[in-house]
Amino acid sequence: DTEVTQTPKHLVMGMTNKKSLKCEQHMGHRAMYWYKQKAKKPPELMFVYSYEKLSINESVPSRFSPECPNSSLLNLHLHALQPEDSALYLCASSLTGTSGRGGSYNEQFFGPGTRLTVL
Amino acid sequence: KNQVEQSPQSLIILEGKNCTLQCNYTVSPFSNLRWYKQDTGRGPVSLTIMTFSENTKSNGRYTATLDADTKQSSLHITASQLSDSASYICVGGTASKLTFGTGTRLQVTL
Repeated sequence: DTEVTQTPKHLVMGMTNKKSLKCEQHMGHRAMYWYKQKAKKPPELMFVYSYEKLSINESVPSRFSPECPNSSLLNLHLHALQPEDSALYLCASSLTGTSGRGGSYNEQFFGPGTRLTVL
Repeated sequence: KNQVEQSPQSLIILEGKNCTLQCNYTVSPFSNLRWYKQDTGRGPVSLTIMTFSENTKSNGRYTATLDADTKQSSLHITASQLSDSASYICVGGTASKLTFGTGTRLQVTL
């Protein structure tokens, strides 16, 4: 299995709803990422989990709450979102995450994304 | 501030023609340069990854070059196909922290 899967593909929610985005990979990767991408803009990093521990939080509002239940799963819990949070949410994974300086690299495999609309 | 600038912003070419996309980066720390292809509404797909010590890397009809001295990279697409129509994103950084360019939107027409 060489892919990252995301569910749901599309999500429409009201500002008072609570919902969750799910991401799964079975490549044995130990780093997983959440990105937010607005139309015609590059992806913006939100969170990085390395070995199931949160290693990077890019000052994301608390209405976004990540969770990594195990090395294969990554969730993003959503609560009290705003219309401006509507975007494509991308999950990615890589073999390892926060290590890798001096010429080393890790390819990030992206999922297909969840298109989120907040009404 | 880390920046990745791409040119042109958009490009239209005829099927079968070649094209070259440009990327200038100012990223620190830097250990690798990546090119991704992204179809509208889909996740990016990796085309090439180069470390700062590599000058060129190919993936089928895609060939990327890297000049770490001038901090420039290019992506050359040979014999374009309609399916090449997408955004091409240049990305620089380290294993976990990447800076994305805004992309070049390529349209291949008949």
